[in-house]
Amino acid sequence: NAGVTQTPKFQVLKTGQSMTLQCAQDMNHNSMYWYRQDPGMGLRLIYYSASEGTTDKGEVPNGYNVSRLNKREFSLRLESAAPSQTSVYFCASSEKFDRGLRNTEAFFGQGTRLTVV
Amino acid sequence: AQSVTQLDSHVSVSEGTPVLLRCNYSSSYSPSLFWYVQHPNKGLQLLLKYTSAATLVKGINGFEAEFKKSETSFHLTKPSAHMSDAAEYFCVVPTNNAGNMLTFGGGTRLMVKP
Repeated sequence: NAGVTQTPKFQVLKTGQSMTLQCAQDMNHNSMYWYRQDPGMGLRLIYYSASEGTTDKGEVPNGYNVSRLNKREFSLRLESAAPSQTSVYFCASSEKFDRGLRNTEAFFGQGTRLTVV
Repeated sequence: AQSVTQLDSHVSVSEGTPVLLRCNYSSSYSPSLFWYVQHPNKGLQLLLKYTSAATLVKGINGFEAEFKKSETSFHLTKPSAHMSDAAEYFCVVPTNNAGNMLTFGGGTRLMVKP
């Protein structure tokens, strides 16, 4: 039982390059989320998918796109990377949708450390 | 605005001795509070959460935390440390009433000596 798996774990991009962060969960969860974690800023919600077939913007969606490929997979794409997108990215999933994660337990991947130079 | 301060960046204990990881929060309302743990090369895992019910919250792996409003604290404790408890621990509070952002503390790295 792997839980939430993110790939890659580390990535360095040049400004303007594109890439896709992959996330898969094997817990049959309905909801999936993408967060970024920056020093002093906490964890901020980029996009979420409350259920298969739906996606919505979170607090910091600019510069990103997402695809809920199926119930298991939720990818995050950077079309033209910028240094401001240097961050640690976490994917999470939960049984029920809860934007603030107050009333449902979320399971997180191990994170992707992205550096844009 | 909500904020959370973890008072120790590193804590070292011997196996079998008690664990205390300290967290103070700042909030203009009675918040939800969480403790997450991250083992090396693993994702964040919820240890326990406080949501205005009992002030003493029991979590997984023998951990518990007590919400003390008068002290604005939510310290994490365990009576007897195990080697497998070595990890980084994060105290977390929702950033606002809408609950659409989470504020993580700076983290406390727990080391357990044999």
